[in-house]
Amino acid sequence: GAGVSQSPSNKVTEKGKDVELRCDPISGHTALYWYRQSLGQGLEFLIYFQGNSAPDKSGLPSDRFSAERTGGSVSTLTIQRTQQEDSAVYLCASSVDRGAQYFGAGTRLSVL
Amino acid sequence: KQEVTQIPAALSVPEGENLVLNCSFTDSAIYNLQWFRQDPGKGLTSLLLIQSSQREQTSGRLNASLDKSSGRSTLYIAASQPGDSATYLCAMEYGNKLVFGAGTILRVKS
Repeated sequence: GAGVSQSPSNKVTEKGKDVELRCDPISGHTALYWYRQSLGQGLEFLIYFQGNSAPDKSGLPSDRFSAERTGGSVSTLTIQRTQQEDSAVYLCASSVDRGAQYFGAGTRLSVL
Repeated sequence: KQEVTQIPAALSVPEGENLVLNCSFTDSAIYNLQWFRQDPGKGLTSLLLIQSSQREQTSGRLNASLDKSSGRSTLYIAASQPGDSATYLCAMEYGNKLVFGAGTILRVKS
């Protein structure tokens, strides 16, 4: 596709369950980013990938959060043992090296 | 700590008015500055990107400026239209991440 694609668009889960969020970046974009948008905290950086490597994981809030990227393309953000405070919109972006970042529509996660 | 502040938090104007949205930042060591719009329940749409060596960028009715020495950026919207109603976010690129302001909610009344 032409833009950044994220799935699912909505996810409802029970507290304590694990969830996986997927991001398919724009073809040819070497850099990929995950952000989180919540009511109380605004938009926050989580992790940055250059190719399949993650040189900056400084925004991951706890060790329950992890992410990987394969083939220099698709990325998966995994949240283990979800908590209610994990409820937020998770946004993925991609860019060509240090150029403009282009965002997907996001995954709205609700933890009950 | 790198902080980005946007003023005003909300703005309501009649159609056709020219308007300015303000963004200030505490750390001038930015790589790029990007302005986005976000429609309710949607992702972010990139409007303009200004590299740190540049002073301004223009796209259609939008003009964004950057003054690193004063730690400020402005987004100027000419001849506003109801379709411009959205939340506008400025973001500074530090290292490998964007640091966002809280946004300005714009409503253009017809």
